Amino acid sequence: ETGVTQSPTHLIKTRGQQVTLRCSSQSGHNTVSWYQQALGQGPQFIFQYYREEENGRGNFPPRFSGLQFPNYSSELNVNALELDDSALYLCASSLGQEDTGELFFGEGSRLTVL
Amino acid sequence: AQKITQTQPGMFVQEKEAVTLDCTYDTSDPSYGLFWYKQPSSGEMIFLIYQGSYDQQNATEGRYSLNFQKARKSANLVISASQLGDSAMYFCAMREDQFSGGYNKLIFGAGTRLAVHP
Repeated sequence: ETGVTQSPTHLIKTRGQQVTLRCSSQSGHNTVSWYQQALGQGPQFIFQYYREEENGRGNFPPRFSGLQFPNYSSELNVNALELDDSALYLCASSLGQEDTGELFFGEGSRLTVL
Repeated sequence: AQKITQTQPGMFVQEKEAVTLDCTYDTSDPSYGLFWYKQPSSGEMIFLIYQGSYDQQNATEGRYSLNFQKARKSANLVISASQLGDSAMYFCAMREDQFSGGYNKLIFGAGTRLAVHP
């Protein structure tokens, strides 16, 4: 186990709704990144938070937003849900810019949009 | 162009035998890192092994070794003495140290599903 926990594990929403996913990073890790993994594909980078600031973003629209809290836990918010947002959302934590940049992943939140 | 290519959608291997999972990458960043992750059905991505672009030796971690051929831009994962618990999806990933702006953005391939048969 990595110590990264995500909630909820599964959820179902309808198109147009909003969703909030939560992540508790591994103890001592100050960097959290979020990935979207569509069925049958590899994960795609959404964005990264370092010490409560977004410091990197992938090719995702602004309706994907996030927060990082002083305890380094994080939230991913998605507004105006679309069918294509159905995916496994993975949170990963790391300790800043370590040599290997190893990411420790949680088990993910599986979102279904109907 | 695909940055990470895994050409084997599925592989199977007999228990206790070795298996090689292929990965090729494409980057012009002079400094990069290559990773392999295992994803069981639970969904968690489990880190297996890392190779830095300037590392002279191939990385090894227990039963896992990374066959790094820089000129060919390949980073194949070798699993020795396969076990039934090795059955999972395996992803190759790359971090471009300069192009990523200094943050931990990993670019993943599409994955290879490995089945270990008794």
